[in-house]
Amino acid sequence: SDELTQPPSVSVSPGQTANITCSGHALSGKYAYWYQQRSGQAPVLVIYKDKERPSGIPERFSGSSSGTTVTLTISGVQAEDEADYHCQSVDSTNAYYVFGTGTKVTVL
Amino acid sequence: EVQLVQSGAEVKKPGESLKISCKGSGYKFHDYWIGWVRQLPGKGLEWMGNIFPGDSTLKYSPSFEGQVTFSADTSTSTAFLHWSSLRSSDSAIYYCARRRGAAADWFDPWGQGTLVTVSS
Repeated sequence: SDELTQPPSVSVSPGQTANITCSGHALSGKYAYWYQQRSGQAPVLVIYKDKERPSGIPERFSGSSSGTTVTLTISGVQAEDEADYHCQSVDSTNAYYVFGTGTKVTVL
Repeated sequence: EVQLVQSGAEVKKPGESLKISCKGSGYKFHDYWIGWVRQLPGKGLEWMGNIFPGDSTLKYSPSFEGQVTFSADTSTSTAFLHWSSLRSSDSAIYYCARRRGAAADWFDPWGQGTLVTVSS
């Protein structure tokens, strides 16, 4: 299967920690990537190769991986982190790219 | 600065053709794959496929193969997404994005998106 499953929504209070999971067989032995998409804007890369952070992305964004599940963690959530988050990987059997179902993060 | 700038919003009727564009700047356009991604209203991201402008190598998602056509013009550093006959179900935002590099299967940066509306 080439599906990546994410929780539809995560709610978090400012200053708390948000954990967003992404699961699927496509992640087995493959890296995951995470994108932030604020309302009305294009996606922006926030994590690559499971846990690497691009320059300019705040340190509060981190990633981890375990088996067929990857997790994006936002520590000390700020109001500006309210957005949709999408995971992405590449299916090792056919090299097709696949996106997760997306998670809406709401900052209470 | 690496940048992708897409063409403006389009309003079309079912059955019409359409070509939207994605112009790269700040890097060697012919050396990096460009991906196309669809986002239906209120939905997630869907990978449509990739094109390598240097030799026009194509890779389509099975979900979109035969429905759209990718092309690129290295002389103008522009990639294109083409429909020969639009359907109302093609109404969406379409993004282009640069694949980061060889063995680097992520997209960065992204274009600003092109809104396509198909309605009679």
